[in-house]
Formats: sequence, structure tokens, C-alpha cells
Amino acid sequence: EVLLVQSGAEMKKPGDSLKISCKTSGYTFSDYWIGWVRQMPGEGLEWMGIVYPGDSDTRYSPSFEGHVTISADKSVTTAYLQWASLRASDTATYYCATISYGSFDYWGQGTLVTVSP
Amino acid sequence: DIQVTQSPSILSASVGDRVTITCRASQNLSSFLAWYQQKPGKVPKLLIFKASSLDTGVPSRFSGSTSGTEFTLTITSLQPDDFATYYCLHYKDFLGAFGRGTKVDIK
Repeated sequence: EVLLVQSGAEMKKPGDSLKISCKTSGYTFSDYWIGWVRQMPGEGLEWMGIVYPGDSDTRYSPSFEGHVTISADKSVTTAYLQWASLRASDTATYYCATISYGSFDYWGQGTLVTVSP
Repeated sequence: DIQVTQSPSILSASVGDRVTITCRASQNLSSFLAWYQQKPGKVPKLLIFKASSLDTGVPSRFSGSTSGTEFTLTITSLQPDDFATYYCLHYKDFLGAFGRGTKVDIK
């Protein structure tokens, strides 16, 4: 069974750094792209970027490039999303998901990130 | 940057209705178009991948198709469990974009 388990909710202040995780199991981690999706409160889904754990090739949506870093660690079959300096506008739920045929098929449960002074 | 235009943004319908939701992409289309259902507070659920392939366990009243530059999600007979928000996802050359969503509510 494919499982993606994300780290817990976070409350941070503007300017803080943060790294959230997505622990995977049940499939060969190195062989499939895995990506991140943002959903701001009451809003739609946004495609952020993806990483191929086999060689750490990473691709970003232009809307997110330069503000977040996506990575993966094969040794612990875990993907990460990190910020060096959070903004209030980063308040959202973030989902990780595996990719097959260009679609996100298996999803994590979501991580709520709240950024407030 | 890929732009995906999804319509309508809101759709009011009754149980038993046939409903259609459409997505168009700004760039040359690939067949990597997926449809998702999301209910409030829940994780999005994959319904259709590769434009017309039904994901495992998804009821057959859901279908996907393409015609020219459009992708369409059809629900042939709307059920009470289908009232939700639907999103398309277009993916090409390692870059994806979601449509803005269609909320299907009760007429």
C-alpha cells in the first residue's frame, strides 16, 4: 500500500524558516516524481513543483521558484518543502503527492502552515 | 507558464442531472490532463488521468474526453455524494497547472 505521511501543523512568524516533510512507503521512492501543491484558505489548488528522487532533478512553477526549495532524501524515502523566510501569504495547507502520467495520484494528508506575527 | 481556463466556476444542479465541466490550456496540449474532486477539508481525489482513463474505484458515471482544444469532465447522473469542487490539472514538459475549480452545488 502506497502511503504518504506528512509532518504536523506549524505556526511560524514572518521571516522564520521552515522545512516540512512527506514520508513515503509502499513503492520504489527513487522511481517516481513527487510534488507539492498549495491550497490557501478558501482557495483552489496550485502546482508548486516536483522532484525526482532518483537524481534530485527538481522543477518549479515560475510562481514559486526562488521562494521555496523542494528536495528528496532517498535514504529515508522522504520529500521536503522548505522556506528560508516565510511570509504571511504562505499561510496555507500544503500537500505532497506522487506523480503518474502527469497526474498526482497518491496524496499526503496535508500540512497546515500558519504564518502570523 | 501554462494557463488553464476552467469553466464554469459555479454550477448549480440537481440529483440525476448530467453535468459537464471544461478545461482549456493556453499552450499546445498534451494528453496529460487529470480531473480531481475535492470536498471541504478533504484531500483531493483523482478521478480521471490521461484525459479519459478512470482511476481505480471511481464510479463509471464519471468520464473524461477531449475535443479539439478542450478537455471535458462529464458526470452522467449526478449523485448526492458528487456535490463538491472539481479541478483539472494539465501537465506538460515537467510543469503543471490546475484550473481554478468548479463548485458543483445543489440547485
